[in-house]
Amino acid sequence: ILNVEQSPQSLHVQEGDSTNFTCSFPSSNFYALHWYRWETAKSPEALFVMTLNGDEKKKGRISATLNTKEGYSYLYIKGSQPEDSATYLCAFKGDTGFQKLVFGTGTRLLVSP
Amino acid sequence: NAGVTQTPKFQVLKTGQSMTLQCAQDMNHNSMYWYRQDPGMGLRLIYYSASEGTTDKGEVPNGYNVSRLNKREFSLRLESAAPSQTSVYFCASSRLITGYTFGSGTRLTVV
Repeated sequence: ILNVEQSPQSLHVQEGDSTNFTCSFPSSNFYALHWYRWETAKSPEALFVMTLNGDEKKKGRISATLNTKEGYSYLYIKGSQPEDSATYLCAFKGDTGFQKLVFGTGTRLLVSP
Repeated sequence: NAGVTQTPKFQVLKTGQSMTLQCAQDMNHNSMYWYRQDPGMGLRLIYYSASEGTTDKGEVPNGYNVSRLNKREFSLRLESAAPSQTSVYFCASSRLITGYTFGSGTRLTVV
């Protein structure tokens, strides 16, 4: 059974703070690492799909890095805004068989004005 | 708008009743999935369909069946609902390298 772990479970920051979360995944049989943003009462939306060791992706104030050799990815939010409040999910896709995503349990971010 | 359409949005069932959750995508994606989301458990894969004509069990398939009706549609059936199946269900679709596109979810309560 693949284990995808995210930390912290939850985070409460003030508007303007920068923050980062960690996703740990198996370092063998890597195919891709996904990040999703999931707002309350909505469905998850894809942020990044990362496939290469050393990948860095950026979308506005959100960026992510990937280390496949040690099995971790970081998601950074620069200058958090209240609208960034959401649960951030990472998901691992291995390269054996059909590549299904295995999701972590997420980091819940709350940004206070 | 292009995307994944899931119906119904809400449903209350009595123990032992059956129902089918419908999912359709119009993005020409090959692969489709059904997940359930429970507090503290994250998204868990129930069944998936890698391509039209194929279906396979995921992590938590017991009590469910699926049908990949055509490339667009992938339905999830509960034959005899149990309280343990109270959950929020999400359908999703994808191509090989892209992120998943999720439906809006079905909140199911079994009493």
